Amino acid sequence: GDSVTQMEGPVTLSEEAFLTINCTYTATGYPSLFWYVQYPGEGLQLLLKATKADDKGSNKGFEATYRKETTSFHLEKGSVQVSDSAVYFCALILNTGNQFYFGTGTSLTVIP
Amino acid sequence: SAVISQKPSRDICQRGTSLTIQCQVDSQVTMMFWYRQQPGQSLTLIATANQGSEATYESGFVIDKFPISRPNLTFSTLTVSNMSPEDSSIYLCSASGNTIYFGEGSWLTVV
Repeated sequence: GDSVTQMEGPVTLSEEAFLTINCTYTATGYPSLFWYVQYPGEGLQLLLKATKADDKGSNKGFEATYRKETTSFHLEKGSVQVSDSAVYFCALILNTGNQFYFGTGTSLTVIP
Repeated sequence: SAVISQKPSRDICQRGTSLTIQCQVDSQVTMMFWYRQQPGQSLTLIATANQGSEATYESGFVIDKFPISRPNLTFSTLTVSNMSPEDSSIYLCSASGNTIYFGEGSWLTVV
């Protein structure tokens, strides 16, 4: 069935380190892919998205490329900041369906 | 890990009616969230539902249109009132305890 597999956390990095959070998916059809972020005590915020193969989503220094050949949508940032500490969720929604599939979330802590 | 049961999963509603979406978590959680995703858009937070207090609504959402109940630590409802075609969306419940959980969404079509 359709699913999202996300790198397990927690992840702890020093400020200015390089970040990668892996996300792979299984889906029938052609999903749209998302990265959401949830800061402590707040709701989800959309970080970036991609709706078709080879699209690159980017926002606030984060990037992810929709790779159909490897069914992946890995999140990257070249230099993390303390303010990036949050939980990150990879998600998909099928273009023909109504159901969300979320990864389990990856908790990121950035230390000064 | 906790499981969230959200229902209905899908419904077709008449204009002017109201529908209540239920969200049941199989363990106690502190915060519960309700989101909406309109066609072609991303998730938008409607409100945060905390047990024992009124829900906190985001800008653009009001209690009269989207009343929320949170009677205990495992259950919440969202009502979409006096529906119009613009309310056709996916509504998603999320819960925050030791980790964060998601329902599968409720797809409402208003005709």
